[in-house]
Amino acid sequence: ELKVEQNPLFLSMQEGKNYTIYCNYSTTSDRLYWYRQDPGKSLESLFVLLSNGAVKQEGRLMASLDTKARLSTLHITAAVHDLSATYFCAPKGDSSYKLIFGSGTRLLVRP
Amino acid sequence: GAGVSQSPRYKVAKRGQDVALRCDPISGHVSLFWYQQALGQGPEFLTYFQNEAQLDKSGLPSDRFFAERPEGSVSTLKIQRTQQEDSAVYLCASSPSTGWATNEKLFFGSGTQLSVL
Repeated sequence: ELKVEQNPLFLSMQEGKNYTIYCNYSTTSDRLYWYRQDPGKSLESLFVLLSNGAVKQEGRLMASLDTKARLSTLHITAAVHDLSATYFCAPKGDSSYKLIFGSGTRLLVRP
Repeated sequence: GAGVSQSPRYKVAKRGQDVALRCDPISGHVSLFWYQQALGQGPEFLTYFQNEAQLDKSGLPSDRFFAERPEGSVSTLKIQRTQQEDSAVYLCASSPSTGWATNEKLFFGSGTQLSVL
């Protein structure tokens, strides 16, 4: 059964700094998603990563996937307050139709 | 509609009461998922429908939980004899197909926050 581990679970960082969130998963996966959730809101899809070595960038966020290491990263560059939210990774197992979510990383960007 | 719609937005139930949560997926979407999100946790899979067929209900916590999608569009998640541990946000998500086409993703509703007193 696919298990997902994210770290850190909580991240407080200053504006302008860089940081990386890590997502490890236990079995093979044919795609991985990153979602953002604001307090009291639903989940917003950020990236879908489909193959080994895939890299996607949108603004100050960049996601990558290493299927051999079963690892995905979400890198934050020059953080701004608007990025404060909870970020979830969610791989889909091979031969499966469901996404399995990590526990989430709660990001707080301080002025 | 424009997005996945869930109702009610909030539901307070007394322990032992039955509740029904509704999900209107995006029109034409074949796949429909229910997830349960406890406070401070990631969403956990409950059940999956492909059109009207419930193909996977392995995530339903007990036989008090029941889901249906009789006409392949609107879905209802019913919880009988609610317990305090059922308190959570229940999220519905839909996607256009069954085969996870390239770049296909799940569209989530805003959820129903259930509080059992």
